[in-house]
Amino acid sequence: AQSVAQPEDQVNVAEGNPLTVKCTYSVSGNPYLFWYVQYPNRGLQFLLKYITGDNLVKGSYGFEAEFNKSQTSFHLKKPSALVSDSALYFCAVRDLTGTASKLTFGTGTRLQVTL
Amino acid sequence: GAVVSQHPSWVICKSGTSVKIECRSLDFQATTMFWYRQFPKQSLMLMATSNEGSKATYEQGVEKDKFLINHASLTLSTLTVTSAHPEDSSFYICSARRQNKDSPLHFGNGTRLTVT
Repeated sequence: AQSVAQPEDQVNVAEGNPLTVKCTYSVSGNPYLFWYVQYPNRGLQFLLKYITGDNLVKGSYGFEAEFNKSQTSFHLKKPSALVSDSALYFCAVRDLTGTASKLTFGTGTRLQVTL
Repeated sequence: GAVVSQHPSWVICKSGTSVKIECRSLDFQATTMFWYRQFPKQSLMLMATSNEGSKATYEQGVEKDKFLINHASLTLSTLTVTSAHPEDSSFYICSARRQNKDSPLHFGNGTRLTVT
């Protein structure tokens, strides 16, 4: 079975400071990894994904994520946070080598960026 | 980018009535769509996988007779909540993926259902 853990319910950061939202995963095969963002009363927006290749993946709105196979992590990062980045962030995983096409989501981390 | 349209964005209905939610992929064909339910301050729970031209695949614990799914075309899937009860009140989100298996899921904006 595949699973995702987001250990922080909320992350607080001041505008202009770097941010990190943590994610660890567990799959039996090779992972597809995704980050999504959700604004209030809206669906999820795709930020970035990792399938193969460079461990540092760049995505939308200046976000990036680093895949670390040994630590089974895929932390989301941004060098300089904006107040408008405040939202709910979900990490998700899909087993690349399995036949199932379902995504498994983490419980979400609320990012609060303040002035 | 790919767009998924979900309608309505919110609905209020009385107990015992049925509500239909539509999910459309606007600029691509989606042989598979997914329906999720999200409780307050919780993650997304996959309810079912909607397959074009065939029966939906429901997750364990989801009542297929209560949550009817129809995927009549490559661009439209519907979720009907039958005989709704207050405990069905939730945020329902659909998603679709292009046929390329490497593609991410694209989500609709969700439907806030309130059953009174």
